[in-house]
Amino acid sequence: DAKTTQPTSMDCAEGRAANLPCNHSTISGNEYVYWYRQIHSQGPQYIIHGLKNNETNEMASLIITEDRKSSTLILPHATLRDTAVYYCIVRETTSGTYKYIFGTGTRLKVLA
Amino acid sequence: EAGVAQSPRYKIIEKRQSVAFWCNPISGHATLYWYQQILGQGPKLLIQFQNNGVVDDSQLPKDRFSAERLKGVDSTLKIQPAKLEDSAVYLCASSGWTTEAFFGQGTRLTVV
Repeated sequence: DAKTTQPTSMDCAEGRAANLPCNHSTISGNEYVYWYRQIHSQGPQYIIHGLKNNETNEMASLIITEDRKSSTLILPHATLRDTAVYYCIVRETTSGTYKYIFGTGTRLKVLA
Repeated sequence: EAGVAQSPRYKIIEKRQSVAFWCNPISGHATLYWYQQILGQGPKLLIQFQNNGVVDDSQLPKDRFSAERLKGVDSTLKIQPAKLEDSAVYLCASSGWTTEAFFGQGTRLTVV
């Protein structure tokens, strides 16, 4: 089962910041938080990941709380093309490899 | 770099028929994943390979689904016989030890 819980859906106005929350209260000390998004009819696309420090790349920022039990993905200036389902994943380690278990995700709709 | 390649993109079959999906991962990626995504749900991990060995197939319905990864590169997923509830998108992903998982576009299967 997925180790994460996310709101089912969110709306955001175009040009505004989109803040997508995720709870992962059972995360272990060496497990990373990953974010992917899935645009209709495409495979999931990697956005960003982090362990305990805040991270930023050209797509988004990731804020992880100090206790690591929750995180927030921030899209600083949402566009219509950011409309997608966003998945927060705790990457697990099994038999020396990594496992990505998806939950139900948050359906983000960016409104014009 | 080339992404994860999957074929076919679409397949329509009648129930009780068999079907096979093919995946070519990113070169050098040791880990390969097959996911099933039913409409409106997050991807569900069916089977995970490390090179040509199975790491986890706990969610694979082994009475009808089979998968192999010959020579630790390409992989095929087979369903025989198909049921109506197998209608879904089948996603293949691959990852290296230091990289995130990359996903293919998926194969959309419709069983009628």
